[in-house]
Amino acid sequence: EPEVTQTPSHQVTQMGQEVILHCVPISNHLYFYWYRQILGQKVEFLVSFYNNEISEKSEIFDDQFSVERPDGSNFTLKIRSTKLEDSAMYFCASLLISGTGSYTFGSGTRLTVV
Amino acid sequence: AQRVTQPEKLLSVFKGAPVELKCNYSYSGSPELFWYVQYSRQRLQLLLRHISRESIKGFTADLNKGETSFHLKKPFAQEEDSAMYYCALSPGGATNKLIFGTGTLLAVQP
Repeated sequence: EPEVTQTPSHQVTQMGQEVILHCVPISNHLYFYWYRQILGQKVEFLVSFYNNEISEKSEIFDDQFSVERPDGSNFTLKIRSTKLEDSAMYFCASLLISGTGSYTFGSGTRLTVV
Repeated sequence: AQRVTQPEKLLSVFKGAPVELKCNYSYSGSPELFWYVQYSRQRLQLLLRHISRESIKGFTADLNKGETSFHLKKPFAQEEDSAMYYCALSPGGATNKLIFGTGTLLAVQP
């Protein structure tokens, strides 16, 4: 069964540094997402991406964050100048058909900012 | 405001007992509702969605618009059902984003 692949599985970074989280969605999917889950809290929507542009972003997704699909397959989340409160599990997901809810999630990247 | 509430952080039952995981939502329109499950050391995966009215692994969920609820039920719990269960709402629209509840950890004791 096709999978969404996320790398790295765990990233430790110093406060103020930039990190890039990588995702390879399922190849024929059209909608791409990033979610995050701070320890002990709910999974939160960050951003959705369709047709090579952001279709919606949450209040959390401010200028510190950006997404790219540089080569038509990889889907990256960049976090500039990381803060302690950015420590969380970041999930990538992709969706083939709108309205089905049949997301395929990656296994997540645990980001720890020290 | 769009919100999903799962009041129980932990639900512990014995094998063979009935299970009901509660989910209430707040949304002014007609939402699409889903249950996602995360087994230990595995990724989040879709369990079922209200629109298909299906039973998956013995679980069912009925959308009650009057009570704004979408509780997940199973008549006889199995040990392999132990997992984290998330109720989620999609407000629809172009983005299909999901709004998650905080999740309920189901622990099925032997």
